[in-house]
Amino acid sequence: AQSVAQPEDQVNVAEGNPLTVKCTYSVSGNPYLFWYVQYPNRGLQFLLKYITGDNLVKGSYGFEAEFNKSQTSFHLKKPSALVSDSALYFCAVRAPTSGTYKYIFGTGTRLKVLA
Amino acid sequence: NAGVTQTPKFQVLKTGQSMTLQCAQDMNHEYMSWYRQDPGMGLRLIHYSVGAGITDQGEVPNGYNVSRSTTEDFPLRLLSAAPSQTSVYFCASSYSGARRDEQFFGPGTRLTVL
Repeated sequence: AQSVAQPEDQVNVAEGNPLTVKCTYSVSGNPYLFWYVQYPNRGLQFLLKYITGDNLVKGSYGFEAEFNKSQTSFHLKKPSALVSDSALYFCAVRAPTSGTYKYIFGTGTRLKVLA
Repeated sequence: NAGVTQTPKFQVLKTGQSMTLQCAQDMNHEYMSWYRQDPGMGLRLIHYSVGAGITDQGEVPNGYNVSRSTTEDFPLRLLSAAPSQTSVYFCASSYSGARRDEQFFGPGTRLTVL
């Protein structure tokens, strides 16, 4: 069965420091991986995706994520955090070999960037 | 474009009542889906549709019905509400083809079942 784990409920980082939000996955075959961000009282917004190719993918708002097949991870990163990055971040996976468009989301990680 | 719209924003129901959560998108997206978001559980897929007239079950479909008679609309029906259905509900849609996996989410409906 597919699953996604976000091991940290909350990540605190000082403004200007690099940030990492962790995600690991379990899926049959090659996964499609995604990151979304949710601001208070809003729906999720797509940040980036990994389908194939370069293991480092770049997305919106200066975020990037690194796919590591051997560690089954897809950590979200940003070189310099902003206070406005404070939000709830979700990792998601889809198994294309399943032939369906069913997405499994992680439980979310709250990022708090301190001024 | 209005994007993905959901109505109502808030709703309180009594156990056993029925209601329909509305979702509409004006981007001509083929794929639409419904999720529920519960504390500590992330988002869970309820039902999804890959086009008008085609729907399928997600991870937690019990207690919910959907239909897709047009490309634009994807309503979610609760036939007999239960307290376990208290949640925040999100509708999402996406393009076909290479951008199918980039979902656009609505603002959500916060439902309380007493």
